Amino acid sequence: GAGVSQSPSNKVTEKGKDVELRCDPISGHTALYWYRQSLGQGLEFLIYFQGNSAPDKSGLPSDRFSAERTGGSVSTLTIQRTQQEDSAVYLCASTPGGTQYYEQYFGPGTRLTVT
Amino acid sequence: AQSVTQPDIHITVSEGASLELRCNYSYGATPYLFWYVQSPGQGLQLLLKYFSGDTLVQGIKGFEAEFKRSQSSFNLRKPSVHWSDAAEYFCAVGRYNNNDMRFGAGTRLTVKP
Repeated sequence: GAGVSQSPSNKVTEKGKDVELRCDPISGHTALYWYRQSLGQGLEFLIYFQGNSAPDKSGLPSDRFSAERTGGSVSTLTIQRTQQEDSAVYLCASTPGGTQYYEQYFGPGTRLTVT
Repeated sequence: AQSVTQPDIHITVSEGASLELRCNYSYGATPYLFWYVQSPGQGLQLLLKYFSGDTLVQGIKGFEAEFKRSQSSFNLRKPSVHWSDAAEYFCAVGRYNNNDMRFGAGTRLTVKP
């Protein structure tokens, strides 16, 4: 079956512009995660959605970052007024349920470059 | 909060040699531990995980890892490395009934012919 997909695969934007990154999770997966992968920094947790519950936004680095998940499926991560330090690979993952027991299925990521 | 340290940023081994990638975690209770692999241009793939029970866990592609509570470690091993194992390896720790998983900085594995 189809895995997690993300679009665009690459995004180059100018400093100060807003960007939207999209994630399509595996059909039927109720939990969705966003991570940021910076060079040599590992994966940084950003936000977590589980079903209809309020999202866990504790990892968002600033109020320029926001995310939504429509209809319990597709998610969009928005970065406003982008800064050069936002340059990274943004990864999305989904799981069948809301506990750590389940394997996280990762998308290929969106590489964001802020010039 | 939990945290993960992968002491080795880059490791080079010869094909056919054994491999051990180190992972140390910090967490007060029993952690959930994971190893993921990220091949060039690919998404992350789960190699194995530990939740409870037998401290030696077997994963895909011939990998295994051993949970050692006394050392707060979860090292990944493979007896004979193949060229296709060249990739970035991430150790991760999660907590029961908690949403965020913490990843290490990764270890890049190079395999020499």
